[in-house]
Amino acid sequence: DAGVIQSPRHEVTEMGQEVTLRCKPISGHDYLFWYRQTMMRGLELLIYFNNNVPIDDSGMPEDRFSAKMPNASFSTLKIQPSEPRDSAVYFCASSLAPNTGELFFGEGSRLTVL
Amino acid sequence: GQQVMQIPQYQHVQEGEDFTTYCNSSTTLSNIQWYKQRPGGHPVFLIQLVKSGEVKKQKRLTFQFGEAKKNSSLHITATQTTDVGTYFCAGDSGGGADGLTFGKGTHLIIQP
Repeated sequence: DAGVIQSPRHEVTEMGQEVTLRCKPISGHDYLFWYRQTMMRGLELLIYFNNNVPIDDSGMPEDRFSAKMPNASFSTLKIQPSEPRDSAVYFCASSLAPNTGELFFGEGSRLTVL
Repeated sequence: GQQVMQIPQYQHVQEGEDFTTYCNSSTTLSNIQWYKQRPGGHPVFLIQLVKSGEVKKQKRLTFQFGEAKKNSSLHITATQTTDVGTYFCAGDSGGGADGLTFGKGTHLIIQP
């Protein structure tokens, strides 16, 4: 298996623009997680899905953030409109279980909002 | 909510010296996981501890889970340049719905 695949790897955009990050989890993994990593706040869980259904979105910072999982092999994290404070590395991860199994992380999407 | 604290934030060691990072939770954990992230990379799973007082070893790495299941440590013996990176602990309080809570990590810097 190719592992968790994220795109784009790097995104530079201007404030106010819409940003869409994409993730393909490992086949057979029922759980998909979106994390944000910054120096100040570390790794923060934004939202996670079980069988394509959002289970916990309490980490989503604002209404500007939304996430979808239309099928078992694809998820998106959208920021609209983007702001400079959204600059971070966004990781997608998948696993067989929510808290008791290994999390497999993608290589991340580094977002810079100017 | 659950909080997971890690110390130290940064650790500089000479190559060959030992290294230890500590993880403390505000709540009792059902399990704890450790991850390593190389500079510019993504977190990679190292191990999971489940039992009170559990000790596991992976070559030069020793992982411990406290008796009260509220703390954990990772010890590296005789560090090598390949050990450079950030080590994260991640805890689960057993609530089932919250996902793992990550500590902020310990950045290990090795001077040759």
